[in-house]
Amino acid sequence: ETGVTQSPTHLIKTRGQQVTLRCSSQSGHNTVSWYQQALGQGPQFIFQYYREEENGRGNFPPRFSGLQFPNYSSELNVNALELDDSALYLCASSLGTGDENIQYFGAGTRLSVL
Amino acid sequence: RKEVEQDPGPFNVPEGATVAFNCTYSNSASQSFFWYRQDCRKEPKLLMSVYSSGNEDGRFTAQLNRASQYISLLIRDSKLSDSATYLCVAASGNTPLVFGKGTRLSVIA
Repeated sequence: ETGVTQSPTHLIKTRGQQVTLRCSSQSGHNTVSWYQQALGQGPQFIFQYYREEENGRGNFPPRFSGLQFPNYSSELNVNALELDDSALYLCASSLGTGDENIQYFGAGTRLSVL
Repeated sequence: RKEVEQDPGPFNVPEGATVAFNCTYSNSASQSFFWYRQDCRKEPKLLMSVYSSGNEDGRFTAQLNRASQYISLLIRDSKLSDSATYLCVAASGNTPLVFGKGTRLSVIA
């Protein structure tokens, strides 16, 4: 186990709704990255948080937003859900932001938008 | 052009076979490379990092060719438990991990 936990494991929403996904990072890790993985694709970077500040963002619209708390846990919020938002959302924690810092993934939240 | 490209497979091989996966990356500034393994409906797990000198971990060997911007993974003596999707990853400094689509491997008894 990586020590990275995500909740909920599964979620079903309808178009237009809002969703909040949560991630607890591995003990001692100060960096959390969020990825979206659609069926048959590799994970796509959404954004990264380092010590409560956004530290980079991928090609996702503003309705994808995030937050990191003082204990380094994190939330991903998605507003105005669209059908194409259906995917596995992965959180990864690391000690630092450099690429030499291995990212450890949680089991993910599988979101279905109907 | 995708930043990291992989042959999606599937690769169907018998137990005991040797199988090789290839991956190319387009960002010449990429500094770090990894292979992740992802089982069906599970999260990606780090299999191994890839170094210029090449590295080996048991039945797994990874190679990096910076001149050709090419990464490979060789699996010898395939086991049924090796069946999974193998994701090639490139990263540069503080940029996020860039994943390929993955190559699916099925090892058949």
